[in-house]
Amino acid sequence: GQQVMQIPQYQHVQEGEDFTTYCNSSTTLSNIQWYKQRPGGHPVFLIQLVKSGEVKKQKRLTFQFGEAKKNSSLHITATQTTDVGTYFCATDSWGKLQFGAGTQVVVTP
Amino acid sequence: GAVVSQHPSWVICKSGTSVKIECRSLDFQATTMFWYRQFPKQSLMLMATSNEGSKATYEQGVEKDKFLINHASLTLSTLTVTSAHPEDSSFYICSASDIEYYGYTFGSGTRLTVV
Repeated sequence: GQQVMQIPQYQHVQEGEDFTTYCNSSTTLSNIQWYKQRPGGHPVFLIQLVKSGEVKKQKRLTFQFGEAKKNSSLHITATQTTDVGTYFCATDSWGKLQFGAGTQVVVTP
Repeated sequence: GAVVSQHPSWVICKSGTSVKIECRSLDFQATTMFWYRQFPKQSLMLMATSNEGSKATYEQGVEKDKFLINHASLTLSTLTVTSAHPEDSSFYICSASDIEYYGYTFGSGTRLTVV
């Protein structure tokens, strides 16, 4: 099945700074979804991107889907302590979600 | 939005016993539900696809006889870990998709510890 590689694995961010997590695939993806999992919690759906070059924003979060539909990014501006957690990209392939390894975000006040 | 309820949240069992985990879609019907397993600091790995009224579809490497899945109704899927061993200790999460919304809704997960 389709595999998605996600980097970085860990991200230490000072409160107020920006950061970006990246998701890459060797094959063209039909879609990319992003989830957030708080420590001890379960994944929560954030967004889905399906169009080439698509950009969507949710407050301080900006999601992009590459022109070739082989990569995606999540950019968070002005990081807050509430942004702590692991962010996963995933692709939905015939009803099955293939998750990236996730980026664990730690925020330093 | 769609809500998926999963019980129990955590369970400790003795080696050799069986544990049943329930996953319910509360406000929508789910003909298909998915069961994942997550080890600490790792990603979610799909174990099986639960299909209402038919046999589950297991991913490669997942033992069908060890992880029994039953999807008897449009709102309930169960995962039974049979003859549990310490290496089965993990975080098990179910998910389902409501056609009214994008994305998948996950249950709160079950942390299984086998001692």
